Amino acid sequence: DAKTTQPNSMESNEEEPVHLPCNHSTISGTDYIHWYRQLPSQGPEYVIHGLTSNVNNRMASLAIAEDRKSSTLILHRATLRDAAVYYCILYNQGGKLIFGQGTELSVKP
Amino acid sequence: GAGVSQSPSNKVTEKGKDVELRCDPISGHTALYWYRQSLGQGLEFLIYFQGNSAPDKSGLPSDRFSAERTGGSVSTLTIQRTQQEDSAVYLCASSPGGFTEAFFGQGTRLTVV
Repeated sequence: DAKTTQPNSMESNEEEPVHLPCNHSTISGTDYIHWYRQLPSQGPEYVIHGLTSNVNNRMASLAIAEDRKSSTLILHRATLRDAAVYYCILYNQGGKLIFGQGTELSVKP
Repeated sequence: GAGVSQSPSNKVTEKGKDVELRCDPISGHTALYWYRQSLGQGLEFLIYFQGNSAPDKSGLPSDRFSAERTGGSVSTLTIQRTQQEDSAVYLCASSPGGFTEAFFGQGTRLTVV
């Protein structure tokens, strides 16, 4: 399974945008980029995923580099509820969903 | 509800006893995962079921751990002769397969005393 690299932790101020980076230099052509987050004392929840093009949904945006070796999860206006561990995962059909250590995001009021 | 359901939510067992943890996935989901999360740690992959294919058991930490999925639906994770290091939250997830999102249950918190 291809690996991802994320910063261990990041801080943000409430109501400001947050850019969470992920490096995946060994990504293959069939790997989708998935993001999940885990709020304290809860199971992980899906955030967004993409293949090549940038993606937007109600929770976040995903910006994928042209060479696909990196991506950035964008939270447009951080809230206190967004404090969580964010996981960037490469996922291909038939493969298993493997979580790395993720980025622990803290949001300051 | 329509989500992934796990039972029990909490389980305290004595060292050396066997335990069974249950996962009811979302109806129609072909993929099912089990993970373990020790306190303050990340998610450790245990086993993956996809349709009728042989399960991927590469994450099971020892032969004391086993899992089955009956009729492509409910799954049971069994831990034999539990040890204190087995104490963790055990999470189950299911997905429709392919590249789509996985849905997680709330987990079973296992404490071995």
